[in-house]
Amino acid sequence: AQKVTQAQTEISVVEKEDVTLDCVYETRDTTYYLFWYKQPPSGELVFLIRRNSFDEQNEISGRYSWNFQKSTSSFNFTITASQVVDSAVYFCALSETGSSGDKLTFGTGTRLAVRP
Amino acid sequence: GAVVSQHPSWVICKSGTSVKIECRSLDFQATTMFWYRQFPKQSLMLMATSNEGSKATYEQGVEKDKFLINHASLTLSTLTVTSAHPEDSSFYICSASWGLTDTEAFFGQGTRLTVV
Repeated sequence: AQKVTQAQTEISVVEKEDVTLDCVYETRDTTYYLFWYKQPPSGELVFLIRRNSFDEQNEISGRYSWNFQKSTSSFNFTITASQVVDSAVYFCALSETGSSGDKLTFGTGTRLAVRP
Repeated sequence: GAVVSQHPSWVICKSGTSVKIECRSLDFQATTMFWYRQFPKQSLMLMATSNEGSKATYEQGVEKDKFLINHASLTLSTLTVTSAHPEDSSFYICSASWGLTDTEAFFGQGTRLTVV
């Protein structure tokens, strides 16, 4: 069975601080995909990234970066120079195929509060 | 990306009544739709998977007679919460797919159901 663990339930930082959100996953599949979603207070899910299990290169997109470590089954997400607009709940998720036609297993989420 | 519209965005109903939630794919034909439920401050849990023209597949612990899913067309799936009770109050969100495509899932905006 697949499992995603986000040990940090809530994080509070001051604006401009860097913050890292942890994600640890379990799967028996050799091929799998990992995702991060942002859920602002309005509730919709905002897609941030999808990464397959064969690609361990770190990725950077603006202030966002992701560190995938297969050896430790982790896919951590870092926000550099955080802003108030980054305040949201962030979910890490896992799927077998990574395609839009596959169900997602979500972690419990990390609520990030960025204070001015 | 593809657009998925969910309606209504919020609904309040009396205990014992039924509520229907619609999930529409606006610019593609969705062969598969997923329904997730999210209780306050909790993660998203898959309720069921529906394929157009066939019966939905429910996850363990989800009552199929209570949560009726209809996916009669390639652009519309509906979730009906029958005889709703306060414990059914939750955030319901759908995602839609046109198959095993190499893209992320496309989510609706979600529906916040409150049963009083």
